[in-house]
Amino acid sequence: DTGVSQDPRHKITKRGQNVTFRCDPISEHNRLYWYRQTLGQGPEFLTYFQNEAQLEKSRLLSDRFSAERPKGSFSTLEIQRTEQGDSAMYLCASSLAGTGASEQYFGPGTRLTVT
Amino acid sequence: GENVEQHPSTLSVQEGDSAVIKCTYSDSASNYFPWYKQELGKRPQLIIDIRSNVGEKKDQRIAVTLNKTAKHFSLHITETQPEDSAVYFCAAGYDKVIFGPGTSLSVIP
Repeated sequence: DTGVSQDPRHKITKRGQNVTFRCDPISEHNRLYWYRQTLGQGPEFLTYFQNEAQLEKSRLLSDRFSAERPKGSFSTLEIQRTEQGDSAMYLCASSLAGTGASEQYFGPGTRLTVT
Repeated sequence: GENVEQHPSTLSVQEGDSAVIKCTYSDSASNYFPWYKQELGKRPQLIIDIRSNVGEKKDQRIAVTLNKTAKHFSLHITETQPEDSAVYFCAAGYDKVIFGPGTSLSVIP
């Protein structure tokens, strides 16, 4: 499968614990995006990378969230001190972009449940 | 801040009828307007997109129109089929896109 992959697919954690998710984009894609989606809502932008550079992070995003893309390939999203409100589907997407946005290919998502 | 609104939130049509979903956006710098379809339990998938130098684009039964002056764009699906039933999201942006809240489309056989 040469599409976007995410790991794990499901994560259950207790409030206060840290969690880390991984995203492997399509290999030649230079942009990688993280979104959060709750039931009945559209994907909410969290952050995005062009190669290894993090170009933008949502102003609404808590400091408990951090993302990296160290070698411009896979990316990790870490949530520290999880809260019940963090329960959601975390989606990763990648694209091959020159100037401006282009078609994004989404991964299957990681469903986080905070108990 | 950046915002994308989408209407209606739910839409029910008879098979064979047309469906129209409308979106407005706030960021005048936006130049890329994709539409994604998300079936239950699946990931969003692009169905059509349009850039700001084009007013209309068509792909078989799907068409999108863009009015940059009014900051709104619309998705038109003709001859709807039951397999068109899904949630549809519009999005707008430049380097990144902001998604609308979605429209749940039901096509009744």
